[in-house]
Amino acid sequence: NAGVTQTPKFRVLKTGQSMTLLCAQDMNHEYMYWYRQDPGMGLRLIHYSVGEGTTAKGEVPDGYNVSRLKKQNFLLGLESAAPSQTSVYFCASSWVGSNQPQHFGDGTRLSIL
Amino acid sequence: GDSVTQMEGPVTLSEEAFLTINCTYTATGYPSLFWYVQYPGEGLQLLLKATKADDKGSNKGFEATYRKETTSFHLEKGSVQVSDSAVYFCALSDYGGSQGNLIFGKGTKLSVKP
Repeated sequence: NAGVTQTPKFRVLKTGQSMTLLCAQDMNHEYMYWYRQDPGMGLRLIHYSVGEGTTAKGEVPDGYNVSRLKKQNFLLGLESAAPSQTSVYFCASSWVGSNQPQHFGDGTRLSIL
Repeated sequence: GDSVTQMEGPVTLSEEAFLTINCTYTATGYPSLFWYVQYPGEGLQLLLKATKADDKGSNKGFEATYRKETTSFHLEKGSVQVSDSAVYFCALSDYGGSQGNLIFGKGTKLSVKP
């Protein structure tokens, strides 16, 4: 009964390093999303995907890239990490349709020094 | 653009007190409305939803009614428990969009004391 699984759970990077966050869902959902959560800001959408092989920009896409090569996986990449990208990152997935709830992973806590 | 405004916290209540967390929205289309809850160290979980005007969502003793005339979706619970301590997020998804993107309020932290 995994749902949405994010790896890693914690990571510390130095400025300029790169890394990839992995999101996997086992519910056969079409839509997947990446958010960042910062204190007092709620959740803000970084990128999303409406199907395998498709991606689109959200509210705060700068400094991030994504890929959806397989339906069940959605990768978020940081090519050159900056301290401003210190945040908690959440992945979510959902069925097609704006009235469908999103299912969230437990988050990745990322610190950029 | 679309937006969600919810009351700022933190909110501190005694066990068995009545809870209201206000949420109002601005949308150009016909949004679906959601309340999510986040327990410490966890991701967000759907608490309840409503997809059209006058719908009432309910779950675990929590309720919220979709009020189109006041553009509101206030969360209520008649008697809170210590286990309800969490951060609560109001969110909307614009019916006019096909992607189902959610727009979140900033969250309200609730602490319930025994």
